[in-house]
Amino acid sequence: DTGVSQDPRHKITKRGQNVTFRCDPISEHNRLYWYRQTLGQGPEFLTYFQNEAQLEKSRLLSDRFSAERPKGSFSTLEIQRTEQGDSAMYLCASSPPGLAGVFNEQFFGPGTRLTVL
Amino acid sequence: SQQGEEDPQALSIQEGENATMNCSYKTSINNLQWYRQNSGRGLVHLILIRSNEREKHSGRLRVTLDTSKKSSSLLITASRAADTASYFCATDAGDYKLSFGAGTTVTVRA
Repeated sequence: DTGVSQDPRHKITKRGQNVTFRCDPISEHNRLYWYRQTLGQGPEFLTYFQNEAQLEKSRLLSDRFSAERPKGSFSTLEIQRTEQGDSAMYLCASSPPGLAGVFNEQFFGPGTRLTVL
Repeated sequence: SQQGEEDPQALSIQEGENATMNCSYKTSINNLQWYRQNSGRGLVHLILIRSNEREKHSGRLRVTLDTSKKSSSLLITASRAADTASYFCATDAGDYKLSFGAGTTVTVRA
């Protein structure tokens, strides 16, 4: 399978614990995005990487959230001291390099469903 | 906050009928995209329409865009049971991040 992969697919944790999710983009895609989706809503943008540089972070990304893409390939999203309100589907997407200002399709992974008890 | 709003929130149709859903957005965009999401899964890209385009077709899908009204519509013709899913419009304002609406849930009855 050469699509975007995410691990784990499901995570149940207790409030206050730290969790880390991984995203492997499609190879040669230099752009990587994280979104969060709560029940009944559309995804909301969290952060965006171009290669290893984190170029934008949403104000939704509190200081308990950190994302990395150390070698410009896979990315991790860590949530520290989880709260019940963090329960959501965390989606990763990637897109190929393109001309500046030209938007390319984002390819989404299957998501990681987080439940905080 | 969500950029777009889909209408209706839910739609139930008979197999073979057409399904139409609308999306309205608030700010200027570079392009608008439609995605499909099957229950509890990731999103699948359906079609992208750029701000200088008015209509686009892809198989059984037809998308229109009216930038003066800040609205778009997605038409699925000859619906099938496999079209049962949630459909989202997403806008890009030139900064690479997508802003999604809350989606339309479509149920196709056999």
